Amino acid sequence: QSVLTQPPSVSAAPGQKVTISCSGSSSNIGNNYVSWYQQLPGTAPKLLIYDDIERPSGIPDRFSGSKSGTSATLGITGLQTGDEADYYCVTWDSSLSVGVFGGGTKLTVL
Amino acid sequence: QLVQSGADVKKPGASVKVSCKASGYKFAAYGITWVRQAPGQGLEWMGGISAVNVKTYYAQNLQGRISMTTNTSTSTAYMELRRLTSDDTAVYYCARLFETLYVDSGRYSPAFDTWGQGTVVTVSS
Repeated sequence: QSVLTQPPSVSAAPGQKVTISCSGSSSNIGNNYVSWYQQLPGTAPKLLIYDDIERPSGIPDRFSGSKSGTSATLGITGLQTGDEADYYCVTWDSSLSVGVFGGGTKLTVL
Repeated sequence: QLVQSGADVKKPGASVKVSCKASGYKFAAYGITWVRQAPGQGLEWMGGISAVNVKTYYAQNLQGRISMTTNTSTSTAYMELRRLTSDDTAVYYCARLFETLYVDSGRYSPAFDTWGQGTVVTVSS
């Protein structure tokens, strides 16, 4: 049981937009920043978003992050088949003094 | 770049030590995080060494069995896990910790911006 809750799976057609939610509490998302990761099959995760909304250099602007209260959201527009992957949110839990991952969301591009 | 040690097979009750050698950046200026992924499962935060406050943090379910250290002279991080069981069979990743502590708000921003290639650890009798 993860501290952060993500939907197990989402799907959309190529070219469409999808959002992935990450729900937590005041001790984690509500008072710390969220980062998002993409993990393609058989590879190490890759940083997509940090500081809730910032994209590292090289990450296309099709990927965006947002946050409201104790929930964060990853948005992906212009879906491509290459976006099929598992996506994870991460933040810090100040009450537990530990890092916390969401359970992951599998994106299928139909 | 982070390069990890090779795959390892251990018997239950043994210990494993995984290394993570950094290059291309000032090692002491960043922290290190360790993450693992059991077969078919999600990512699990194991712990990390913060460069902001020079503290080491461990996941509660691993406390007492895990140690994380760094050797700045060789730019290498180590993660040792003791008293292994079959539940510890996983791919183990190190990642550079890109972190910001916003002093005015007390909010912390951890991000793992560079990852090692992963080390497969198999625990089997």
